[in-house]
Amino acid sequence: GESVGLHLPTLSVQEGDNSIINCAYSNSASDYFIWYKQESGKGPQFIIDIRSNMDKRQGQRVTVLLNKTVKHLSLQIAATQPGDSAVYFCAENGLSGNQFYFGTGTSLTVIP
Amino acid sequence: DAGITQSPRHKVTETGTPVTLRCHQTENHRYMYWYRQDPGHGLRLIHYSYGVKDTDKGEVSDGYSVSRSKTEDFLLTLESATSSQTSVYFCAISESIGWQGTGKLFFGSGTQLSVL
Repeated sequence: GESVGLHLPTLSVQEGDNSIINCAYSNSASDYFIWYKQESGKGPQFIIDIRSNMDKRQGQRVTVLLNKTVKHLSLQIAATQPGDSAVYFCAENGLSGNQFYFGTGTSLTVIP
Repeated sequence: DAGITQSPRHKVTETGTPVTLRCHQTENHRYMYWYRQDPGHGLRLIHYSYGVKDTDKGEVSDGYSVSRSKTEDFLLTLESATSSQTSVYFCAISESIGWQGTGKLFFGSGTQLSVL
């Protein structure tokens, strides 16, 4: 089966600092990757995505980096704010293209 | 939550009883998904649908069935609930380009199911 993992289950950062959340994937055939944010009591919310023909993609305060050589994905959040406190999941589309496999999540806590 | 309604929001049932969870969307999206979320496992796909009466299994489909008789509704049924099916269940939808889902999933608020 698919294996999507995260290096650290929890991460604490000071407000205003940059956050980096990492994710490793195992399926070299995956060509689409997504980061989701899940706040307590809510469903996951799309943050940013990247296709395998790209190495980097930027959004508003977020950047996703993809290293296909080592099958590694990272999410960078600039100037982290208290509202960024949540669990972050990476997901990949695996072999089928329509089934998305999620990692176990990293809990980000922002310290005021 | 992007025009997705899950019902019920909470359900407590006994082992061996049938349970049906409902997902309703107002976005007219082709793809609908059912995931379960458990501590230490993240979200795992149960079943998904790519159109009316078109469904396929996910990675944890045993013990679950689904039906989609209308574009807007996707039902998840536990024929005989077990304690291992205690979980939070999320429905998600996505747009499609042709027959392929875009992958950008929009999730409902979840159903907390407890099987005693």
